[in-house]
Amino acid sequence: RKEVEQDPGPFNVPEGATVAFNCTYSNSASQSFFWYRQDCRKEPKLLMSVYSSGNEDGRFTAQLNRASQYISLLIRDSKLSDSATYLCVVNPPGSSASKIIFGSGTRLSIRP
Amino acid sequence: GAVVSQHPSRVICKSGTSVKIECRSLDFQATTMFWYRQFPKQSLMLMATSNEGSKATYEQGVEKDKFLINHASLTLSTLTVTSAHPEDSSFYICSAIFSPEAFFGQGTRLTVV
Repeated sequence: RKEVEQDPGPFNVPEGATVAFNCTYSNSASQSFFWYRQDCRKEPKLLMSVYSSGNEDGRFTAQLNRASQYISLLIRDSKLSDSATYLCVVNPPGSSASKIIFGSGTRLSIRP
Repeated sequence: GAVVSQHPSRVICKSGTSVKIECRSLDFQATTMFWYRQFPKQSLMLMATSNEGSKATYEQGVEKDKFLINHASLTLSTLTVTSAHPEDSSFYICSAIFSPEAFFGQGTRLTVV
């Protein structure tokens, strides 16, 4: 089983729709979780951290489910500019310089 | 926030030559940096972990003699692709953690002709 798994998509949804995708992780002791966004031919950039209590930033909501070992990202009122690949990132327990583990990414395409 | 600078952003080289890619942490010290490779429409794959003052740790399947990593200072790691071949053409990205967030260089698009 992969350490971090995501549905690769692509998710193709109309502008204004709500879309959600999940990411599962295998190490139950993982402590830090993030969603990164990667545009085509660009480096990944942090979209939001995922806290135990869940967090919301405008149209984006991230949640953590420790019991089932997954994190989710919900995008409301999607915009054309939301088209990108969304990477789930997990920082396993260990030293302060632990390597982070990337999911394979979920491709999202918003159509007019 | 923290900044990681990677250079060059794009390079085209002839088969058999070597290419050096630099990764710098501009406003923080990074004892550890990570090198990733990404093929088109695929995810980032960790190649190696660069450790300041010691040998890099390579992931399974990555040839250490082909992908030379040097982490000579707390702000600079270099990746040298030796004797490059067309199949080495890819997008290479470095990263450093400024806890708890990972920051990435801009990436280097390598094309071997």
